[in-house]
Amino acid sequence: GAVVSQHPSRVICKSGTSVKIECRSLDFQATTMFWYRQFPKQSLMLMATSNEGSKATYEQGVEKDKFLINHASLTLSTLTVTSAHPEDSSFYICSAPKAGANEQFFGPGTRLTVL
Amino acid sequence: QKEVEQDPGPLSVPEGAIVSLNCTYSNSAFQYFMWYRQYSRKGPELLMYTYSSGNKEDGRFTAQVDKSSKYISLFIRDSQPSDSATYLCAMSASSGYSTLTFGKGTMLLVSP
Repeated sequence: GAVVSQHPSRVICKSGTSVKIECRSLDFQATTMFWYRQFPKQSLMLMATSNEGSKATYEQGVEKDKFLINHASLTLSTLTVTSAHPEDSSFYICSAPKAGANEQFFGPGTRLTVL
Repeated sequence: QKEVEQDPGPLSVPEGAIVSLNCTYSNSAFQYFMWYRQYSRKGPELLMYTYSSGNKEDGRFTAQVDKSSKYISLFIRDSQPSDSATYLCAMSASSGYSTLTFGKGTMLLVSP
């Protein structure tokens, strides 16, 4: 198998602040990572594809200036929610495919609550 | 029409029952089909992975894909209270590095 971690697991912040979420592949290199958002009782919705060394690709309707993605190394991608508002409160999950494996490996998720 | 349709449930069954979970889809380009289990406030974990049509069995779990009907199923035999979770179907046009399209998830409750 392969392990993907996320940090923090939970964050509560005030409206207007920025929050950074880290996604790490612990035992494999990930040139690509995916960021999903999941609202209560809803499906995982792909937000963006993070590529090491290049700009992220955002899905339609996702504001790239609000959700900043940086894939600085082969094991780390970060998602920064800038000027967070209560409607950004959600469960953010990352995943990473591993070379030679068919599946994507998911992180445990980060629950963001914006007050 | 959404790309992937899945009944959100909840589906309540007694321990030991056979559970059937289903998804339908509209995109004929999907070739890879997955079932994930997600416990509350946790990330999804892969249960079954199937390529194209056919059946795949792993312990108490059986996945079926019928591409002609655009219909996939997950069967759980001898269900246990620990199986209580949300089950998400997911599909993609290619493996690994392709983006996944998820169903909404079905909440399963297995009572002892």
